[in-house]
Amino acid sequence: DTAVSQTPKYLVTQMGNDKSIKCEQNLGHDTMYWYKQDSKKFLKIMFSYNNKELIINETVPNRFSPKSPDKAHLNLHINSLELGDSAVYFCASSQGQGRTEAFFGQGTRLTVV
Amino acid sequence: AQSVTQLDSQVPVFEEAPVELRCNYSSSVSVYLFWYVQYPNQGLQLLLKYLSGSTLVKGINGFEAEFNKSQTSFHLRKPSVHISDTAEYFCAVSEIGSGYNKLIFGAGTRLAVHP
Repeated sequence: DTAVSQTPKYLVTQMGNDKSIKCEQNLGHDTMYWYKQDSKKFLKIMFSYNNKELIINETVPNRFSPKSPDKAHLNLHINSLELGDSAVYFCASSQGQGRTEAFFGQGTRLTVV
Repeated sequence: AQSVTQLDSQVPVFEEAPVELRCNYSSSVSVYLFWYVQYPNQGLQLLLKYLSGSTLVKGINGFEAEFNKSQTSFHLRKPSVHISDTAEYFCAVSEIGSGYNKLIFGAGTRLAVHP
């Protein structure tokens, strides 16, 4: 039973399009995250929600908009896609406090052509 | 602000040999320390973490790491590697007391185990 699941796993789209990536966790965690892994494997946090409230918002273009309908879901919507948005996007969840580990999804490989 | 430096981008090693993957961090506040592993086309899986207490931490798959506060290091070791250990390894920190697990990652070390 998958703990953190993301859909789709692969996404190929043209520049200028709008796309969404969905994430769901069944661990009962109250905090969810989006991380971006670039072509050099570097991982950087983008957003975090705690109980549907935005708590971390790193320097990310406002074309990226996270949405959390409930604490088990955190979706990522991207407007006007650019070539530089090509990356692997990981969703993660944890039970709040920094002592606990973050559980990661399998990733969504986004390719913008 | 925190930063994490993984000193080796790639580490080739023969099967059954010991391995050490190096990690140094910089932070003005106390941090928790983590090692994650990423197998090809997979998400990240926690290997081990240091929160407090004993500086030698044991994790899954026979890995262990030692926290050295004076050297601000958290090196990962395994006494005998297997082919299946071939993967990308990430060291990460999160700030104690922040309330949330904002992980700051190093650039990763690619471990390649050869027969």
